[in-house]
Amino acid sequence: GQQLNQSPQSMFIQEGEDVSMNCTSSSIFNTWLWYKQDPGEGPVLLIALYKAGELTSNGRLTAQFGITRKDSFLNISASIPSDVGIYFCAGHRAGTSYDKVIFGPGTSLSVIP
Amino acid sequence: DGGITQSPKYLFRKEGQNVTLSCEQNLNHDAMYWYRQDPGQGLRLIYYSQIVNDFQKGDIAEGYSVSREKKESFPLTVTSAQKNPTAFYLCASSNGQGIGQPQHFGDGTRLSIL
Repeated sequence: GQQLNQSPQSMFIQEGEDVSMNCTSSSIFNTWLWYKQDPGEGPVLLIALYKAGELTSNGRLTAQFGITRKDSFLNISASIPSDVGIYFCAGHRAGTSYDKVIFGPGTSLSVIP
Repeated sequence: DGGITQSPKYLFRKEGQNVTLSCEQNLNHDAMYWYRQDPGQGLRLIYYSQIVNDFQKGDIAEGYSVSREKKESFPLTVTSAQKNPTAFYLCASSNGQGIGQPQHFGDGTRLSIL
C-alpha cells in the first residue's frame, strides 16, 4: 500500500508566488528524490538528497531532507508558468536493498499567469 | 545523447491480445524498472531488473512479463491476463551502484484498449 504521503494534493498559485510542498512517511528513509512530470512525459529528476538535514538547491528549487528522516520538503521560489506539472517525491527506505524506491502520489501545481 | 527510449508512444490492444512495450537505454545502467501510472496516482512498480538475465516482481506484477537478455533492453509484455491494462507505462534505469541512486525515466507509452 501507499507508504508516502504528499501534501497538498494540488495547488493553484499566482505567477511569482513561492510554493511549498512536502512528503511524509511513517518509515525512515535514507534517500529522498524529487521529480517533476509534465503531461504525457516521464518524470525528470530535480533534486536528490542523501543525508538527514541536507538542504540542496537547484536554481529556484530548494529541497530539504528532514531531520527525522521521515519527511522531505520542496520549495519553489518566484513561480513561473513552466513550473506547471506534477511533483513527485520518492524515497529509498532504510533497511531495503538496491535502488528500489517508493513514489508518493504527487502534488499537482497550476500557475496562473 | 544518452537516455531512455520507449516505444511506441501510443499503443492499442484488442481483447485477448498480448502486447510488448519496448525500453532501450544507452546510459550503461545496470538496473532497469517498469512502472504503471494511473490518472491521479503515483507510480507503481511492475518489475525491476538489477542485472542481465535477472529480474524481480514489483508490487503489481500479475498479468505482466519481462525479459532482460541485454543490458540496454528491458521489454515489458502486457498479457491478456491483465484485465485492466489501460494506463501510462514508464520505464526507468539507474546505475545500481549504490543504494537509492536516482532513476532516470523514458517518456512513457500510453496503452489503451480497443
